[in-house]
Amino acid sequence: NAGVTQTPKFRVLKTGQSMTLLCAQDMNHEYMYWYRQDPGMGLRLIHYSVGEGTTAKGEVPDGYNVSRLKKQNFLLGLESAAPSQTSVYFCASSFPGGNEQYFGPGTRLTVT
Amino acid sequence: SQQGEEDPQALSIQEGENATMNCSYKTSINNLQWYRQNSGRGLVHLILIRSNEREKHSGRLRVTLDTSKKSSSLLITASRAADTASYFCATDPELTDSWGKLQFGAGTQVVVTP
Repeated sequence: NAGVTQTPKFRVLKTGQSMTLLCAQDMNHEYMYWYRQDPGMGLRLIHYSVGEGTTAKGEVPDGYNVSRLKKQNFLLGLESAAPSQTSVYFCASSFPGGNEQYFGPGTRLTVT
Repeated sequence: SQQGEEDPQALSIQEGENATMNCSYKTSINNLQWYRQNSGRGLVHLILIRSNEREKHSGRLRVTLDTSKKSSSLLITASRAADTASYFCATDPELTDSWGKLQFGAGTQVVVTP
């Protein structure tokens, strides 16, 4: 099993550009999450999904959109990147409820 | 918002010593979890303790939970250089709209020197 994978691993964007981060899991998990991690702030939830075709806002959703067209994939989009979105982005998945989450390796995004 | 706050923010110890870090939280919880993050990597789940449990062990890890004080501790015994990492606590709040949305603290950076 590959677990949770994320692409790309690194990306540099200019302000105003757009991009999509892809997360894939092969554990048949219902729930998937996107977090961002900034120095000294731990993880903050951006968006999450409790099943195929459903998404919801987390703690810091502004400037991001998501889609969950297939159970195994969760996409995070930035329509118009801003320097404040420079961060490390982690995808995670889990079975329903407050169970352990499995994390991907992260995407380091820099917006100049 | 961060539910859990770890203490200390950083910890430096020598191999063979024990490392203890604490987590405090604000609201009632269903469970509390500890994760490890090696530099440049994703988080890895270490242990989950439910609100009706007081202590749990996993290998060299010992976790305690005191719901009356809203606090937890993680003890790593006989530390090794490979234990160098950041450690995060995460809580599953006992809220009516809670569906398993974990809240993470800012982490404790542990450095174990040979």
